[in-house]
Amino acid sequence: EVQLVESGGGLVQPGGYLKLSCVASGFSFSDSAMHWVRLASGKGLEWVGRIRTKSNGYATGYGASVRGRFSIFRDDSANTVYLQMNSLKAEDTAVYYCTRLPSDSSAYSDHWGQGTLVTVSS
Amino acid sequence: QSALTQSASVSGSPGQSITFSCTGTSGDIGGFNYVSWYQHHPGKAPKLIIFDVSDRPSGVSNRFSGSKSGNTASLTISGLQAEDEAIYYCSSYTDSNTWLFGGGTKVTVL
Repeated sequence: EVQLVESGGGLVQPGGYLKLSCVASGFSFSDSAMHWVRLASGKGLEWVGRIRTKSNGYATGYGASVRGRFSIFRDDSANTVYLQMNSLKAEDTAVYYCTRLPSDSSAYSDHWGQGTLVTVSS
Repeated sequence: QSALTQSASVSGSPGQSITFSCTGTSGDIGGFNYVSWYQHHPGKAPKLIIFDVSDRPSGVSNRFSGSKSGNTASLTISGLQAEDEAIYYCSSYTDSNTWLFGGGTKVTVL
């Protein structure tokens, strides 16, 4: 069974930083691209970014609102993908989900974690 | 890039069919057959129900179907059931090598 478990969320002040983790199990993690997606209260889903596999150079991409502040990296030996969030703003407050793409060339997420809540507030 | 455009809400009675749309541009929906749809019951993880415009993952009811015409994708739920009450999000790959989501459509079963 595919499982994705996020952790690391919490309360952080504006301008601060936070690192989220997502531990994967039940599939060949190293063969899957991974996304981060967020959901702010009262708003719709927002794509945060993606990391591809080793065979595609661990290439990353980011949404416009987080580009330059957030970065994604992965540790295939630990079946874990990370989201490093710097220079946090109030508008980054959201539930953050990690998702799996079934292959590195897929364009959809077939499994989602339960999410971890990030609150940016003074 | 702006979010894809979805109607805010739609409702129907049990057994009815409903269709709602997701509008983008030639740089996203219109340029690729990479539209997906997700069902979200608040407090739970979103669930994939349609990928690559019209394909259904195994285990998803055939009451859900997807299509696309030009820059607009659509999701149809036939034989509406109480458990279908949820928020539905569309998503598309874009020519900037990014993804966009819609604002979500809240489906209410009367």
